[in-house]
Amino acid sequence: GAGVSQTPSNKVTEKGKYVELRCDPISGHTALYWYRQSLGQGPEFLIYFQGTGAADDSGLPNDRFFAVRPEGSVSTLKIQRTERGDSAVYLCASSLEGLAGNIQYFGAGTRLSVL
Amino acid sequence: GENVEQHPSTLSVQEGDSAVIKCTYSDSASNYFPWYKQELGKRPQLIIDIRSNVGEKKDQRIAVTLNKTAKHFSLHITETQPEDSAVYFCAAFDPRNYQLIWGAGTKLIIKP
Repeated sequence: GAGVSQTPSNKVTEKGKYVELRCDPISGHTALYWYRQSLGQGPEFLIYFQGTGAADDSGLPNDRFFAVRPEGSVSTLKIQRTERGDSAVYLCASSLEGLAGNIQYFGAGTRLSVL
Repeated sequence: GENVEQHPSTLSVQEGDSAVIKCTYSDSASNYFPWYKQELGKRPQLIIDIRSNVGEKKDQRIAVTLNKTAKHFSLHITETQPEDSAVYFCAAFDPRNYQLIWGAGTKLIIKP
């Protein structure tokens, strides 16, 4: 594709519900990253995939958060039992490989609002 | 782990003047330093980057300098224009865990 695509662009949910956020990376990019960005702050690392495997999930805040990338392309970030504090913009980025100097290209993000 | 500090948090400059944003990092293992521009409600976009084996890089009105000894790097924008108004983020890449650690951002305001 032309760029990193994220769906939905906006998601409003109620506290306690389950949500899935989707990321479609640039074709051929093996590295995929999820970040969370709160208002007025920089992106906060959540998880990094190299191919199908989660190479580093140390940024996931707790076990309510989980992400998969079963075929090494599209990734889904899953949040269980959502809380109001989960409200943020969730950004996905992909790069050719997960190496220094590989530019990370970002999607437009999913704005999650937990009521 | 790596920590990146960015200053100032807000910078207001007259159109046509230069703007400088500074970042420091804590971990000498970091070896790649990109700068991203984010307009309101939009995605971050890379504007310039520098590797640890280079001291300076320039692209038209934008330049980045890196001082590895002092562990700081700076973004310089010359002849600022209204479209330069945005939030700018610096970041440092840690090759041991493949993570980009981000600064808190600088809101750049260009006054007409």
